[in-house]
This record gives sequence, C-alpha cells and structure tokens, in this order.
Amino acid sequence: AQSVTQLDSQVPVFEEAPVELRCNYSSSVSVYLFWYVQYPNQGLQLLLKYLSGSTLVKGINGFEAEFNKSQTSFHLRKPSVHISDTAEYFCAVRAPLYGGATNKLIFGTGTLLAVQP
Amino acid sequence: DTEVTQTPKHLVMGMTNKKSLKCEQHMGHRAMYWYKQKAKKPPELMFVYSYEKLSINESVPSRFSPECPNSSLLNLHLHALQPEDSALYLCASSQEGGANTEAFFGQGTRLTVV
Repeated sequence: AQSVTQLDSQVPVFEEAPVELRCNYSSSVSVYLFWYVQYPNQGLQLLLKYLSGSTLVKGINGFEAEFNKSQTSFHLRKPSVHISDTAEYFCAVRAPLYGGATNKLIFGTGTLLAVQP
Repeated sequence: DTEVTQTPKHLVMGMTNKKSLKCEQHMGHRAMYWYKQKAKKPPELMFVYSYEKLSINESVPSRFSPECPNSSLLNLHLHALQPEDSALYLCASSQEGGANTEAFFGQGTRLTVV
C-alpha cells in the first residue's frame, strides 16, 4: 500500500533563505508523486509533479523537487523564499483504487512553511 | 480553462437543514472527487465519480449524498449533519488513467454546522 510521510509539521525560515521540505513515500507499485500548496482558507494548488523521466522536477513559484528512488524521497526545495510562500505544503502519492483506472491521492500530514521577515 | 469552481464558498447550516454543495469543471475530466478537510489535517477522500457513475464511497455516512448530473457537474447533498461535520469540503477532477493524472482542486466550501 502507498503512504507518504512528512516528518516536519512546521518549518520556520527567514525571508530570502533557502528551504527544504521533506517527504518520504512508501509504494509497492509505480510511483507518481505530487506537491500541493494550500494558502489560508484556499483550495489546493499543484506545485509540481513527478510521473516519470528526469528526477529533478521544476514547478511553479521557483520550487523544485528531486525524486530519489533509493531513499524513497521527494523533497521540495526553494533557493530563496518570500513572505508570500507562507502556506501549508502537502506531499501526495497517487494510488490506484481497487485495481481500476480510477485513482486517489494519498496525502501526507502537511508542513507549514512559516516565512519570517 | 483549468478551473474547478465550487459554490458556495461559505455555508452555515443547522442540524435539521438540507443544503447542497456544487462543483463545476470544463476541462473534459471524467473523474470527479469530493474530499473533506478538517483544520490542520490533510484532505480525506469521500467519493469518486468516474464517467458520471459513483465508483468509490469511502464509508461516508448517508447524511452525505453525492450526485453527478453530467460530466461537468458534481453535487454533494447534505441532510441532518452533525457539528463534527464542520470542515472544508473540496472538489477535485482529473483525467481517467494515463500518465497525466494531475488532480485539479476547487477553492472549497467552508461548512459550519450549528
């Protein structure tokens, strides 16, 4: 069964500093991984996704993530954060539902990125 | 158009009320989902519709009743809810199968049951 672990519930960081949000996954089948961002009182917005191919994935708002199969990780990074990056970040893995074509997202517990001036 | 539109944005209802949440997408997606998100928690899947048919019900109480009138619309009918049902309800859609299985989410409906 697929699962996702986000060990850090909150990551405080100063503006313009680099940040890494950690995500580890467990999967017995092909892995499709996603990072979503949720701003306060908003829905979820896709930051980036790994489906296949290059292990370094670039997303929106200057974020990137690296898929590491040997370490079963998909950490999210940004070289310089802004106050506006303050939000909840969810790592997710796609899992097929009951052997069919329909799938669902299994989310980690989320990491609050708190950017301070 | 990559939007999933949910209405209303906020809803307050009493425990004896009947209300409905609406979701609409025009991306041609044939899979649509309802998720429930409590504060400080990740979204939890409630229902999946595939080609307008209910394919998954994740053991959701019958006071929640989904409906998919056509390929663009998804409703969630609410009746006799409890205060613990207060949450953010998110709708999402995605293509069926294939490598591109990105799910697009709406902005959610913030439901308060009083």
